[in-house]
Amino acid sequence: DTGVSQDPRHKITKRGQNVTFRCDPISEHNRLYWYRQTLGQGPEFLTYFQNEAQLEKSRLLSDRFSAERPKGSFSTLEIQRTEQGDSAMYLCASSQLRQGSSYNSPLHFGNGTRLTVT
Amino acid sequence: AQRVTQPEKLLSVFKGAPVELKCNYSYSGSPELFWYVQYSRQRLQLLLRHISRESIKGFTADLNKGETSFHLKKPFAQEEDSAMYYCALSMEYGNKLVFGAGTILRVKS
Repeated sequence: DTGVSQDPRHKITKRGQNVTFRCDPISEHNRLYWYRQTLGQGPEFLTYFQNEAQLEKSRLLSDRFSAERPKGSFSTLEIQRTEQGDSAMYLCASSQLRQGSSYNSPLHFGNGTRLTVT
Repeated sequence: AQRVTQPEKLLSVFKGAPVELKCNYSYSGSPELFWYVQYSRQRLQLLLRHISRESIKGFTADLNKGETSFHLKKPFAQEEDSAMYYCALSMEYGNKLVFGAGTILRVKS
């Protein structure tokens, strides 16, 4: 499967612990996105990278959240001092911004990491 | 603020009946609209992109800027169409999608 892969699929943690998720995008894609999805809602944008540069962060991304994409390939999303409200599905997606074009290719999503904070 | 509204949480139709999944958006500029679909136990995947003007799996959607709508239609529903459907909007040429809450489509035999 050459799609977007996320690890782990599920994570259960106790309140106050730190967690880190990993996303491996489609290899030729230069853009990588993190979304969060809670029950009954659509995905909500958190942040995105173009290559290794983090270009935008949503106001949803509190100081406890940090995302990196150090070599412009895989990305990690870390949540420090987790709270019960952080329980959600964390989705990663990737796309390609074509050189010389303003248009993004469609976003390809991973299966997500389901976080449960107890 | 940009917003996508899908007024129905659940739409239940019989096989062979027409389907219309509603989507309305609020954005003052020229948005790009999408429909994404999530089948049971599968990842979210693109169904339609309005600039492509394609029909995928028999589904079509027309952007109506006057009514700020992008409803998804199919003349004859099939059981395999049962899934969660999300309407999404981009303000930046397909970048940074804003999603609606989704509509579950259930096609009964």
